[in-house]
Amino acid sequence: KNEVEQSPQNLTAQEGEFITINCSYSVGISALHWLQQHPGGGIVSLFMLSSGKKKHGRLIATINIQEKHSSLHITASHPRDSAVYICAVNYSGGGADGLTFGKGTHLIIQP
Amino acid sequence: NAGVTQTPKFQVLKTGQSMTLQCAQDMNHEYMSWYRQDPGMGLRLIHYSVGAGITDQGEVPNGYNVSRSTTEDFPLRLLSAAPSQTSVYFCASSLNTGLGYTFGSGTRLTVV
Repeated sequence: KNEVEQSPQNLTAQEGEFITINCSYSVGISALHWLQQHPGGGIVSLFMLSSGKKKHGRLIATINIQEKHSSLHITASHPRDSAVYICAVNYSGGGADGLTFGKGTHLIIQP
Repeated sequence: NAGVTQTPKFQVLKTGQSMTLQCAQDMNHEYMSWYRQDPGMGLRLIHYSVGAGITDQGEVPNGYNVSRSTTEDFPLRLLSAAPSQTSVYFCASSLNTGLGYTFGSGTRLTVV
């Protein structure tokens, strides 16, 4: 079974700290997604990556295709960044279409 | 507002009852999918559709039916609800698989 592993599962940090969340996957992918889920439950797509690096405001996402690894970074973290961050991939090469998800990283930013 | 609309937001069913979770999008997305989210399990794919008239099973399809008669709508049917189907259900759409996804706000279903 193709899996997506995230680390850490839980992360508590102080406001202003630099945050890194990691994601690794097992086989070739066509795309990797970073999603954000707030306590209210809604899921928002942050990034879609197939190579390289993307930046949006204080969020940066990188992917290393050879190492099958992606990172999500948050600079100058703020309490409003507290949420569950979910990594998901589209595996290439057949099988069930759609996303395969990691279990998420629960991030708490304390003021 | 353009997006994915899911109804209802909350539902309580008795074991054995049937119901339909509605999902509609107005972005002319070809790809639509249903996921369930359970504590400690992450989200899992139930069924998906790559266009009107085309559906296929995902990772956990048992107990669920889908149809896609129009591009806009992708309802999920529970034929005979079981307590194991207690979960939060999300519908998502995309212009094409592998592109960015838009998620609905979710349906919290409890089967007693």
